Amino acid sequence: DTEVTQTPKHLVMGMTNKKSLKCEQHMGHRAMYWYKQKAKKPPELMFVYSYEKLSINESVPSRFSPECPNSSLLNLHLHALQPEDSALYLCASSQGQGYGYTFGSGTRLTVV
Amino acid sequence: GQQLNQSPQSMFIQEGEDVSMNCTSSSIFNTWLWYKQDPGEGPVLLIALYKAGELTSNGRLTAQFGITRKDSFLNISASIPSDVGIYFCAGRRDRDDKIIFGKGTRLHILP
Repeated sequence: DTEVTQTPKHLVMGMTNKKSLKCEQHMGHRAMYWYKQKAKKPPELMFVYSYEKLSINESVPSRFSPECPNSSLLNLHLHALQPEDSALYLCASSQGQGYGYTFGSGTRLTVV
Repeated sequence: GQQLNQSPQSMFIQEGEDVSMNCTSSSIFNTWLWYKQDPGEGPVLLIALYKAGELTSNGRLTAQFGITRKDSFLNISASIPSDVGIYFCAGRRDRDDKIIFGKGTRLHILP
């Protein structure tokens, strides 16, 4: 298995809703990442997990809450989002320092 | 913050033409990566470069890691319609666990 799987593919949520994005990989990668991508822009790093521990938080608002239950799974919990949070949310994983990332197909999030 | 300058921003070419794009930085990177992203999909890794001066090919794609470690280029030979998309360069430093992306080059192929 050489894929990063993200669910759901599309999500529409209201500003008072609570939802979660899920990411899964079975490549034995020890690092997992959340990126946010707005239209016609490059991906922007949000969080990095290394060996299941949060190692980088790029000053992301607390309405985004990451969780890494085990080495294969990464979640992003969403609460009280704003319309400007609408974007493509990408998960990625990596073998380690010096290696490229493998990205999932993303979750297209729309906040209404 | 750290920035990668990627150019050109967009390209309009005829099918069969060769394409060249590049990325420069004011800082050194230990790894250079080239990704392609199709609409509604995540970026797909095309080529990874790990050593200064390294020249690597993947089919019709060729990329080089600059000697100064501050730049990289990607060439696509004999373009075909499925080459359409956005190409991102990305740099990775060993001292932290993150990749920084260029702003992308949008490739269009004229009929």
